[in-house]
Amino acid sequence: KNEVEQSPQNLTAQEGEFITINCSYSVGISALHWLQQHPGGGIVSLFMLSSGKKKHGRLIATINIQEKHSSLHITASHPRDSAVYICAVCNNNAGNMLTFGGGTRLMVKP
Amino acid sequence: DARVTQTPRHKVTEMGQEVTMRCQPILGHNTVFWYRQTMMQGLELLAYFRNRAPLDDSGMPKDRFSAEMPDATLATLKIQPSEPRDSAVYFCASIRSSGSLEQYFGPGTRLTVT
Repeated sequence: KNEVEQSPQNLTAQEGEFITINCSYSVGISALHWLQQHPGGGIVSLFMLSSGKKKHGRLIATINIQEKHSSLHITASHPRDSAVYICAVCNNNAGNMLTFGGGTRLMVKP
Repeated sequence: DARVTQTPRHKVTEMGQEVTMRCQPILGHNTVFWYRQTMMQGLELLAYFRNRAPLDDSGMPKDRFSAEMPDATLATLKIQPSEPRDSAVYFCASIRSSGSLEQYFGPGTRLTVT
C-alpha cells in the first residue's frame, strides 16, 4: 500500500463545476503539499498546510490530521484548471523530504 | 522573481554516455532536493542536501548516479553510464532554512536515453 493515496486518478468536469480531489496518507507528517503540474511539465506549489483550511482564489485545501486526509476543492472550474494535481506529504523526521501521491489528472471541458 | 533554474532543459543521449544535470537553487535556500518523474513511478525522491551536505540518497542507484553540491549556488546530478531506463524528467527543488517547508521546483530536465 502506498503511503500517499489520491482519488480519483482521472477526473473530467464541465466548466463551472465544483471539483474535489482527495488525498489519504498513512504516515505521520509535519505538512501536506498540494502541487499543480500543467501539460508543459512545470510543478507549482499551490498549498502547504499542517492543519485546518487554506484558500487562494477559487482553490481551497483542507486537512484533517486525525483522519490523515486532505481535500483540494476547485470552485467554478475553468478549462485552464486542467492539469495534474499532486498531493505530497512532508515528514520532518525525514529531513522535510516529500512523499508523493500518484496524482489526479483533471480535465475541465468548456 | 526568484526561482530555481535547471540546465539543460532537454537532453537526448545514447546509452553509455555520461549525463550531467545542473540546478541553481534560490539564493538563500539551503536545502536542495533531486526528484525523478516517470510515467510508471510518478515522482520520487533521489537525493537531497542541506547546507551542501548529502543527507539522504537512498532513492538513487548508487552504481551509476551521483549527486553533489560543490557550492551553495550549484547542485549537480550525474549519471554514468546512462541507460534507457533513466529516461525521465528530473526536477530540482529548494527550500529555505528551518521554518519553511514550502518547496520551490525548477522547470525540470527531460532526459531521453536511446
